[in-house]
Amino acid sequence: QKEVEQNSGPLSVPEGAIASLNCTYSDRGSQSFFWYRQYSGKSPELIMSIYSNGDKEDGRFTAQLNKASQYVSLLIRDSQPSDSATYLCAVPPSFGNEKLTFGTGTRLTIIP
Amino acid sequence: KAGVTQTPRYLIKTRGQQVTLSCSPISGHRSVSWYQQTPGQGLQFLFEYFSETQRNKGNFPGRFSGRQFSNSRSEMNVSTLELGDSALYLCASSLLYGPDTEAFFGQGTRLTVV
Repeated sequence: QKEVEQNSGPLSVPEGAIASLNCTYSDRGSQSFFWYRQYSGKSPELIMSIYSNGDKEDGRFTAQLNKASQYVSLLIRDSQPSDSATYLCAVPPSFGNEKLTFGTGTRLTIIP
Repeated sequence: KAGVTQTPRYLIKTRGQQVTLSCSPISGHRSVSWYQQTPGQGLQFLFEYFSETQRNKGNFPGRFSGRQFSNSRSEMNVSTLELGDSALYLCASSLLYGPDTEAFFGQGTRLTVV
């Protein structure tokens, strides 16, 4: 089992709808969780950090964390074509030598 | 406030050569970590430096090395380049060392080995 798993997609969502991106992780000791957005040919951009169970909202973005289920999600409301990108979930392991372990990313396409 | 600056942006090298990449973190940030991104393997952690000391290291061969200077700038070196080293090399800057600190990426250096 991979340490951080995401559906690779592509996930297609109509403009104006809610896009839901999911991530599961295997390390029960992980305490912080990050979502990055990466446009094609560009570097990852940090868009959300979440540390506590529950929801965290920032504009059109909401991150949801459930540590008991080892599940973190990102919701994008009122999806725009500019949201089309690959979304990466990143989790620092509670042990070992890595700074961040990344999922393989979900490619999101917003259809106008 | 300036972001993370990586130089050069693009490099083409020949197998067997060595290469040095540079990263200047966000002003005031003291931790620099390096990642390799390839289509097949995704983003993989190389190493992290904080206060001029390597704190963490990923599962890469010894041909990959790095260092950090007193002004927090970091360099990464790859010796005896192989075709498989072709990748986007990303540097990330964090205010402090530790798993809970946010990491901000530079634009990356795209290395092509021929």
